[in-house]
Amino acid sequence: DTGVSQNPRHKITKRGQNVTFRCDPISEHNRLYWYRQTLGQGPEFLTYFQNEAQLEKSRLLSDRFSAERPKGSFSTLEIQRTEQGDSAMYLCASSLWGTGGQEYGYTFGSGTRLTVV
Amino acid sequence: RKEVEQDPGPFNVPEGATVAFNCTYSNSASQSFFWYRQDCRKEPKLLMSVYSSGNEDGRFTAQLNRASQYISLLIRDSKLSDSATYLCVAPGGGGKLIFGQGTELSVKP
Repeated sequence: DTGVSQNPRHKITKRGQNVTFRCDPISEHNRLYWYRQTLGQGPEFLTYFQNEAQLEKSRLLSDRFSAERPKGSFSTLEIQRTEQGDSAMYLCASSLWGTGGQEYGYTFGSGTRLTVV
Repeated sequence: RKEVEQDPGPFNVPEGATVAFNCTYSNSASQSFFWYRQDCRKEPKLLMSVYSSGNEDGRFTAQLNRASQYISLLIRDSKLSDSATYLCVAPGGGGKLIFGQGTELSVKP
């Protein structure tokens, strides 16, 4: 396992269409995070999972956004009825969260760049 | 007020120069911080962790000033390959990270 894998790398979609992105974390990592980054800004937290449980969602995650991690391994992020404002880089990260509350190996994937036209 | 604030730059410096970036944070309870480096259209990568005693790694030095709630990153003898965006990062609780806007550095020959 060489790292966090995200697919697709690029996605161009028309406004109003639905899109789904996939993230495959490092295999032994139990935590998975989604971030969004727009041009000229730092990444912004969207949501995260510990195993299959979604533990927190940002207020940035509108009703059009849904994330899943059904088996505690890969995760998907779906955006319904895309808007031009959804154009951004969507980054996934994973880590190993230990029982003592320490976190190890926080690693980002290469991201999926979404363009809504 | 944003939780983490940085001067977006850009900082344009010649090779060999020393350059310093500052970052302020709002949550006084935060214990440790990070500097990430992000190349154009790539993912952020951890550059350094910053604890109360500061941290040095080769040409890079990070300092934390709790009283003033700011973090600094000093790059000495800058190289062309240091050109990137440097992101100041605070812990957001539960493992999530809070990023600053990023400071763009361009090192010229």
